This record gives sequence, structure tokens and C-alpha cells, in this order.
Amino acid sequence: DAKTTQPNSMESNEEEPVHLPCNHSTISGTDYIHWYRQLPSQGPEYVIHGLTSNVNNRMASLAIAEDRKSSTLILHRATLRDAAVYYCILRSPLGNRDDKIIFGKGTRLHILP
Amino acid sequence: EPEVTQTPSHQVTQMGQEVILRCVPISNHLYFYWYRQILGQKVEFLVSFYNNEISEKSEIFDDQFSVERPDGSNFTLKIRSTKLEDSAMYFCASRLGTSGGDTQYFGPGTRLTVL
Repeated sequence: DAKTTQPNSMESNEEEPVHLPCNHSTISGTDYIHWYRQLPSQGPEYVIHGLTSNVNNRMASLAIAEDRKSSTLILHRATLRDAAVYYCILRSPLGNRDDKIIFGKGTRLHILP
Repeated sequence: EPEVTQTPSHQVTQMGQEVILRCVPISNHLYFYWYRQILGQKVEFLVSFYNNEISEKSEIFDDQFSVERPDGSNFTLKIRSTKLEDSAMYFCASRLGTSGGDTQYFGPGTRLTVL
């Protein structure tokens, strides 16, 4: 998996939007951008993924730069439950070989009440 | 919503003992994984499994580790002779198919403590 760079930690107030950045300047044309998160004492949890266009789902939005060298995970209205480590991961569409997820350190998001 | 389940939630064992960690993946999924996370460290890939055989394994997954899908629902990780450094959270994951858009769904983990 290509390398991604994320801030070690971020802080946000409850009920405010949060923008979590990720740089991936060496992304290849076929890499998908995936975001997972890990709540305290739980397993990683899928959040969202995209290829080129911005994506929305019930959990978050993913904004992808036009050159695809960076992306931003947007939590529209953070709650205390969103406090977690957020991982930005590039995934190749190559099928069942080399499909392990390589987790980095991610961004630890703190939500202030 | 279907989910991956793991048992036990916490396993305590003596060094040198064998342990078996159990997972029930999502029922129609075809690809299965084990990861581990030592306290305070990154989540690390151990092994992937498809069509009743190992697809890939990491350097961590040495001869002391083995995986099995003994029936149509369970997926197990066995550590033959546990070491202190095997103490970690072990996560099972499963995935439906083969496109880059497919998601891995993780279980809640088993905390293994080796004394």
C-alpha cells in the first residue's frame, strides 16, 4: 500500500464539523482511498472510501483533491462517540492477493464536550 | 446488521500453553484475516485466508501460529506455545469479494494476556 501522512492528533468541539486531512502524494491511478476508525477498546471500523469523486455516507463525507494527492474526511457534526483513531489507507484493486490492510499510526481525534 | 464475532473477549494463559482464538466471520464472506495490536502500537497484519488456504502471511506469523476454518462458520487462530510477547489484542476480519472497493469488517477482538 502506498504511504499516507496524517497529523498525529486533532481536537474538536462537540457538535462542530471536523476535517481530518490525509496526504498521499505517491498515490497510483487505481488506488482507492479508504478511511477506517478505531474507537477505544474496539476493532477497526470502516468509515468511507472513494476513488476520484467526493463521497457521502451516513457516517461522513470524503473530499478528494482533484490531483488525488490529498483527501479530507469530514465529520459534519462531531459527537463524543466520534473520539477515535482515524486511519487513511490506500488500497489497490488487485483482488485477493496483497489485500491486507497496512495501518499507520492514524490521527487520534479528541472531542471536547 | 451482520457482524464479525470473536470469542473469548479476554483470554489469560501461561507462557508455553496453546491457545485457540475463535471468530465467526460474516456468513457470505469469502476472505478472512487475523490482525493483532500490541498495547499502544499499530494494528499489524498476521494472515489472510481464502478458499481454505493461506493467501498471505506476515513475518510475525511463524510456525507457532496456524489458522483453520474447521466448518462453514468458524475461523480460528491457534498459537501453539505462547510467549510473553504474544500478549496483544487479536482482531479477526472478513471481506466479501475481490474488488478494491470491498471492505474488511473487523470483530471486537480478543485480548490475549500471556503470563
